[in-house]
This record gives sequence, structure tokens and C-alpha cells, in this order.
Amino acid sequence: GAGVSQSPSNKVTEKGKDVELRCDPISGHTALYWYRQSLGQGLEFLIYFQGNSAPDKSGLPSDRFSAERTGGSVSTLTIQRTQQEDSAVYLCASTSTRPNEQFFGPGTRLTVL
Amino acid sequence: GQQLNQSPQSMFIQEGEDVSMNCTSSSIFNTWLWYKQDPGEGPVLLIALYKAGELTSNGRLTAQFGITRKDSFLNISASIPSDVGIYFCAVSLASKLTFGTGTRLQVTL
Repeated sequence: GAGVSQSPSNKVTEKGKDVELRCDPISGHTALYWYRQSLGQGLEFLIYFQGNSAPDKSGLPSDRFSAERTGGSVSTLTIQRTQQEDSAVYLCASTSTRPNEQFFGPGTRLTVL
Repeated sequence: GQQLNQSPQSMFIQEGEDVSMNCTSSSIFNTWLWYKQDPGEGPVLLIALYKAGELTSNGRLTAQFGITRKDSFLNISASIPSDVGIYFCAVSLASKLTFGTGTRLQVTL
């Protein structure tokens, strides 16, 4: 497709379960970002992939959060042993030559019961 | 971490009115951006500002990069119902964006 896609659009899980969220960036975009948006809040940076470089993980809130990007394209954000405070919308963005001009997907709304 | 203060937090205006919102920081940044987020969607870039003092327009939207590099404002002229949404400012540092907490705009007919 033409834009960034994310799946699932909604995910409800029980506390303690693991979840995987997927992001398909715009074809050819070299950089990929994950953000978290809690209700009524701005976006919080989580992790950043640029080409084949080691990812910038400085925003991950705990070691329960991890992400990988396979083949320089699709990325998966994994949250292990989910907690209720993990409930939020998780947004993915990609960009090409202008790192500031990020294109966002529609997000995955995660609800941890 | 960096903190961006956006004001107002929310505003109700009538269709046809002009809107102004701003964003301030205690630190200097060389890139300021404005995004709009509709319900259930990701943010969409409206305007990017790269030079202090720069004034940039995109249709009915005008944004300025403050001369001190610590603030920016966004104006929307002659608002219409589809302007409803949350407007975020963002600054760029080391290829990462830091977002403000947003201004929620609601337009009444």
C-alpha cells in the first residue's frame, strides 16, 4: 500500500500475556520509529531503526519491551508480561531522506485487562 | 527529557474564526514541526520549520519558527469543521521527535 500499515488495529489482552504488534513501513523508507501514545497525551518515543545500524532503544520503558526489524522492512514490537499501564496506542512511523518528516501509521490500540 | 508546553490545551471555536496556538520549550531546537491527529489515525505532518524566524504557510495554515528557537506558533485562518482534531508541535533532535501534549480543537457550526 501507499502508507504505513499496522496490525492489529486493536488488541485486548490479559495482564501477564505477551503481545506482538506489527508495522509495515512505506516501501523504500530506511528509517522506522515506534511511539506510544497514552490517552490524552502526546507521543512518547520508544525505538528507532535506521538502515542496518544498531537500533536506538533509548525510549523503551522497560526490558519487557523489545523490537526487531527484519530485512530492513517490517518491524515487530513485542511486549512481554503485559501490565495494565502498557495500555495505549502504539504508533509506527517511517521516513526516508528527511528524518523529521515522519509518516505515521494508524496505530494499534492495546488494552491490557 | 525534553518538555514542550503547548497552549491552549483545548479550544472551542466557531466555524469561520481564526485560531492560534503555540508551543514553547526551555531548550533551543533547530527544527520545529506541526502535526494534526484525527481520531483513530496517526499524526499527519502539516508544516516543518527549519530556520529561526521562518514563516511558512500551507493553505489556511501558517506557522512560525520563533527567533529565539525556543518557540513556534500555528495559526489556522477561517476554520472549517474538518479542522477538528488534536494539533501537536514537535521538535527534532538526533533524528528523534519529541512531541508536545497537544491542543484539542473543536469547531462548532
